[in-house]
Amino acid sequence: DIQMTQSPSSLSASVGDRVTITCRASQGISSYLAWFQQKPGKVPKLLIYAASTLQSGVPSRFSGSGSGTDFTLSISSLQPEDVATYYCQKYNSAPWTFGQGTKVEIK
Amino acid sequence: EVQLVESGGGLVQPGGSLRLSCAASGFSFISYWMSWVRQAPGKGLEWVANIKQDESEKYYVDSVKGRFTISRDNAKNSLYLQMNSLRAEDTAVYYCARNPRVGSAVIPGDYWGQGTLVAVSS
Repeated sequence: DIQMTQSPSSLSASVGDRVTITCRASQGISSYLAWFQQKPGKVPKLLIYAASTLQSGVPSRFSGSGSGTDFTLSISSLQPEDVATYYCQKYNSAPWTFGQGTKVEIK
Repeated sequence: EVQLVESGGGLVQPGGSLRLSCAASGFSFISYWMSWVRQAPGKGLEWVANIKQDESEKYYVDSVKGRFTISRDNAKNSLYLQMNSLRAEDTAVYYCARNPRVGSAVIPGDYWGQGTLVAVSS
């Protein structure tokens, strides 16, 4: 099965900073990658699918890029409400594996 | 308004069984793939299974194959997860999620339920 590895596992940044999270697939998955945001105690929320398509209603400071094995989620200007754990998920074929998550905090 | 409401969780002994349900409303349930995703306490998300609209395709994570069965009743707008031979490591919040088709691909959950807690312990 294809493994999904996120880095870093956690990060701390200041409000207004640009934040980048990386997700690497152990084999190519084309652009079949989604990103989720899970705030503490809340249900996961779909941010991006097809590697770079912003889900309706998601702020434009979020963006995704990549294809094949290497993907990134960027937050152009970190806001206090972005404190959350972010997960990538592959969906080219079963199993739809998640990355282990990246916890984002405010410095 | 799209709503997904899970039920059926609880405390069960190792080796026991539970059947989770997910009641869907606010959309055409028969038109969507559906999934179960779980999250162990303090841990990350784990995709468990998904099912096609007509039940002709079902897929599972290796750790539950042969023990869990995903099913649906389109007449009742409901998704199910029958869990047998439960183990301590199955302890988690179980979420159901809707999987829309975008172009040629079925994408992961655009709507999620609030989850139901399954605790496997003696």
